Amino acid sequence: EDQVTQSPEALRLQEGESSSLNCSYTVSGLRGLFWYRQDPGKGPEFLFTLYSAGEEKEKERLKATLTKKESFLHITAPKPEDSATYLCAGEAAGNKLTFGGGTRVLVKP
Amino acid sequence: GAGVSQSPSNKVTEKGKDVELRCDPISGHTALYWYRQSLGQGLEFLIYFQGNSAPDKSGLPSDRFSAERTGGSVSTLTIQRTQQEDSAVYLCASSSRRGREPFYYGYTFGSGTRLTVV
Repeated sequence: EDQVTQSPEALRLQEGESSSLNCSYTVSGLRGLFWYRQDPGKGPEFLFTLYSAGEEKEKERLKATLTKKESFLHITAPKPEDSATYLCAGEAAGNKLTFGGGTRVLVKP
Repeated sequence: GAGVSQSPSNKVTEKGKDVELRCDPISGHTALYWYRQSLGQGLEFLIYFQGNSAPDKSGLPSDRFSAERTGGSVSTLTIQRTQQEDSAVYLCASSSRRGREPFYYGYTFGSGTRLTVV
């Protein structure tokens, strides 16, 4: 059975304090590892897709990396507007996403 | 439309009643997904439609849940004889399955329907 596990569940950061979120996955025949951001009361918003080990993607203060077993989302010098729940998900051959439980990030000014 | 539209945004229903949740995907997207997000939980896959193929219903939690997609566009998720454990946010997502597009643009989610069963 495909599994995606995210840690930590919650993260409190001071503005400017960089940190990393972890996503461990066991997805048979992984075709893509997705990162999403979700704000309260809204649906998830697409950030990145990673395909193969060693790949990296960047967007503003966010950088995602992928190994054969894990993905990391690095937040560099975060701002309060980066506060959100970050979700990772793996897509397998059946064209459906298996999501992790998410990491709630709170950035305090 | 420009995004995935879901209605209603909030629904409060009495235990035992039936409810219908609607999803309007992005025009031209052939793939449509329903997910459920319970309080503090991750997203749980429910059902997947792709074009004219038979839907993947493997995530539906019980036979009280059903979904249909008419004309390859609008989808309706129906929950019969609702129970309190059905309370959750029901999210719909759509994507193109053309080539690598799902990976370039991801899946586009609606804002969800918050269902409360009292």
